[in-house]
Amino acid sequence: EAGVAQSPRYKIIEKRQSVAFWCNPISGHATLYWYQQILGQGPKLLIQFQNNGVVDDSQLPKDRFSAERLKGVDSTLKIQPAKLEDSAVYLCASSFPASGRSPSDEQYFGPGTRLTVT
Amino acid sequence: GQSLEQPSEVTAVEGAIVQINCTYQTSGFYGLSWYQQHDGGAPTFLSYNALDGLEETGRFSSFLSRSDSYGYLLLQELQMKDSASYFCAVRGGGSYIPTFGRGTSLIVHP
Repeated sequence: EAGVAQSPRYKIIEKRQSVAFWCNPISGHATLYWYQQILGQGPKLLIQFQNNGVVDDSQLPKDRFSAERLKGVDSTLKIQPAKLEDSAVYLCASSFPASGRSPSDEQYFGPGTRLTVT
Repeated sequence: GQSLEQPSEVTAVEGAIVQINCTYQTSGFYGLSWYQQHDGGAPTFLSYNALDGLEETGRFSSFLSRSDSYGYLLLQELQMKDSASYFCAVRGGGSYIPTFGRGTSLIVHP
């Protein structure tokens, strides 16, 4: 079974530039998550999708961050314009079944995109 | 909101047993998960507790007490490869969203 795919793996941009990250979840996983992980901290949920609908985006800085999940499969996360404090690893995860209330509550994480804003 | 507390660092020797504690505050609690993350790697799922008690998976066990809002991860027969960060994560709130703790860095010495 293929895992969660993310690209790019690394990105360096200057502040005020824009950047986009792509995620392809495990086939059949209805729930998709985007996390921001700053060095030395735990992953922080930015947005959770179920199929192509947003479950929660309360921690997404909507003035600069946006995310979409067209057709309930792939997802993109965009930052425009980037700030220095956006430097972090952006993790995508997916889970099954659709409700997220699986007996194991297991989330499968992709390798992440390491973003450096200079 | 939801919050979790776990120790920042734990050290142990190879072959020993170590316990990583996690206390949480949340409304509408659904369950507590544990993840392992090696430096530069992605978090990987270890265990999940929705009900009180102990869940065992090989060398790892996880415990939950809902009345105490407390759980722990127990690692037995420690190996050098167990050196990693361990995160507890709680499902709760109205939207059932996951919240992760800041992580515990486990250092295993020979």
